[in-house]
Amino acid sequence: SQTIHQWPATLVQPVGSPLSLECTVEGTSNPNLYWYRQAAGRGLQLLFYSVGIGQISSEVPQNLSASRPQDRQFILSSKKLLLSDSGFYLCAWSGGASYNEQFFGPGTRLTVL
Amino acid sequence: GENVEQHPSTLSVQEGDSAVIKCTYSDSASNYFPWYKQELGKGPQLIIDIRSNVGEKKDQRIAVTLNKTAKHFSLHITETQPEDSAVYFCAASPNNNDMRFGAGTRLTVKP
Repeated sequence: SQTIHQWPATLVQPVGSPLSLECTVEGTSNPNLYWYRQAAGRGLQLLFYSVGIGQISSEVPQNLSASRPQDRQFILSSKKLLLSDSGFYLCAWSGGASYNEQFFGPGTRLTVL
Repeated sequence: GENVEQHPSTLSVQEGDSAVIKCTYSDSASNYFPWYKQELGKGPQLIIDIRSNVGEKKDQRIAVTLNKTAKHFSLHITETQPEDSAVYFCAASPNNNDMRFGAGTRLTVKP
């Protein structure tokens, strides 16, 4: 069966510091991968998605970036965090027999102080 | 692009009663409509979905209905239990890389 991992689970960072969040998927190959952000009490905002290694599509202009160095690894980064980057970051995957269905990881709670 | 609206934003019911959450979408090309349940501090979990060639789908106490003409779909939970308390999200998708979510409904089931 497929599993999706995210780390760290929680993170507190000062404004202006760099960020690196990691997501990995097991049990599937060539998945589509997604990064979402969820502000407190709000819905999910798609940030990036990737259909393959090195292929990144950005949905919202911001100071975040994403990379996919391996088939089942998706990384969310920032060079300098802003207060507004605080939120709950969710990674998701889709593909294979479950074409449209997206499956979410446990999330990373980021607090920027 | 797709725009999904979800109502109500909060819903409180007594244990054993039914709960209904409604969503509307704007893009007639959307053909996949999932529902997610999110418990506090966790990622959303897919609980049921429906595709545009189906009008209704049931899974035990959960059912989803779809009206493509009116561009709306609903989640129905019968015989609610305290463990059904969570935030529920609807979504609509015209393709694999474009899924738009509603703002969520916080459901509270009172024992």
